[in-house]
Amino acid sequence: QKEVEQNSGPLSVPEGAIASLNCTYSDRGSQSFFWYRQYSGKSPELIMSIYSNGDKEDGRFTAQLNKASQYVSLLIRDSQPSDSATYLCAVSSNDYKLSFGAGTTVTVRA
Amino acid sequence: DVKVTQSSRYLVKRTGEKVFLECVQDMDHENMFWYRQDPGLGLRLIYFSYDVKMKEKGDIPEGYSVSREKKERFSLILESASTNQTSMYLCASSSIAGSYEQYFGPGTRLTVT
Repeated sequence: QKEVEQNSGPLSVPEGAIASLNCTYSDRGSQSFFWYRQYSGKSPELIMSIYSNGDKEDGRFTAQLNKASQYVSLLIRDSQPSDSATYLCAVSSNDYKLSFGAGTTVTVRA
Repeated sequence: DVKVTQSSRYLVKRTGEKVFLECVQDMDHENMFWYRQDPGLGLRLIYFSYDVKMKEKGDIPEGYSVSREKKERFSLILESASTNQTSMYLCASSSIAGSYEQYFGPGTRLTVT
């Protein structure tokens, strides 16, 4: 069973702060890593993908990958109330399927 | 943009009924997936399909079947609905040409009474 673990929430951050979300995975052969955002009552929406070690930035989001440590993270800079959601980490080992973490709920307080 | 649609946003069925949930994607994706999502249990894969008429069981296939007669359409069937199948059902699709990122439909919240 391929395991994906996320830091337990909920995570509460003040508006304008950095939210830091962490994810570890068990399958060393994993190749593709994704972050999904899910608002309450809605479906997951892909917000970031990362495939090689290092950082990848997209607007206020930065994904970081360290394959040696089997660790992937998501930073949300200048957090806004609209960032309040559950963030799911997903990992693929090249077999079409994704393994999902349980999610971390982020609340941005004004 | 990838678009995945599901036949219903909300559905209420009675115990023992046969239930059909349909999913359609418009991006010519080869792979399609059905998940259910329950509080505290996360996303769990029910079935997936990597080609027309091909299907594979996921982690929790019991009580479900699927059908994929056309590439763009993937149906989930509850042969005899039970109350423990009350859940949010999510369909997703992905391309074999990509890096396996999946795109989700809006979900169907099914209540079985």
